[in-house]
Amino acid sequence: TQLLEQSPQFLSIQEGENLTVYCNSSSVFSSLQWYRQEPGEGPVLLVTVVTGGEVKKLKRLTFQFGDARKDSSLHITAAQPGDTGLYLCAGGRYNAGNMLTFGGGTRLMVKP
Amino acid sequence: KAGVTQTPRYLIKTRGQQVTLSCSPISGHRSVSWYQQTPGQGLQFLFEYFSETQRNKGNFPGRFSGRQFSNSRSEMNVSTLELGDSALYLCASSQWTSGAVGRVTSEQFFGPGTRLTVL
Repeated sequence: TQLLEQSPQFLSIQEGENLTVYCNSSSVFSSLQWYRQEPGEGPVLLVTVVTGGEVKKLKRLTFQFGDARKDSSLHITAAQPGDTGLYLCAGGRYNAGNMLTFGGGTRLMVKP
Repeated sequence: KAGVTQTPRYLIKTRGQQVTLSCSPISGHRSVSWYQQTPGQGLQFLFEYFSETQRNKGNFPGRFSGRQFSNSRSEMNVSTLELGDSALYLCASSQWTSGAVGRVTSEQFFGPGTRLTVL
C-alpha cells in the first residue's frame, strides 16, 4: 500500500498570513493532484503536477512536485477566508488507471 | 456542460440490507471511479470502470461491487450492509484513464457524493 502523509492535519490562521501544506510519501508517483473540498460537496481539482521539480501557480497558490516525485507542497500566500476548506493531495500511478491514493487531508480555517 | 451527478444524495439503511448508488459522468467521459470517504480512513479508492470494464479495484470486501453501462453511467452496490459502511460515497468522472493512449494522468471531476447512513 502506498501512503501519502499530509501535514499539518489542521491549520487555523488569520487572514493575510502565509501557509504551506506538505504531502510526503516513500513511494514514487507518476502524478500528484491537489484538491479542495467544501462541506457537503465532492473534491474540486486545483492542479495536477507530473514532472519532478515542477512548480505551478494558481493565483495565490503555489504547488511544487518534489524532484524524486515522492512529495509535494502547497503554499498559499496572503490567505483569505475564502480559502477555508479541506485540502487533499492525491497520487496516481501510470499503470494503475485513474486510481488515486489520497492523503489524510489538511483542514484549513482562515479567520477574518 | 453538466457536471457529475450522483443519486440519491442521502440514504438511510439498516444493517443487512443492500444498496445501489448511481453516478452519471460528464458527457463524453468514459471513466468512472468510486471512492469511500470516512472521517477515520479518509478517501479510499473502491474501483474504476472504463468503457464498461473494471480497470482497477481497491482493497474492499466482495460486498462492494459495481458496473458500468454502455452510456458510461455507473452503479455501485453494497450488499449485507454493516455499520462501518456509513460514509460519503463519491464518484469521479474522467475522459480517459491513465495509461490509455500513453496518457500519464487524466483529470478527474468528482460528483457531490451520496451520504449513506447505516443504522
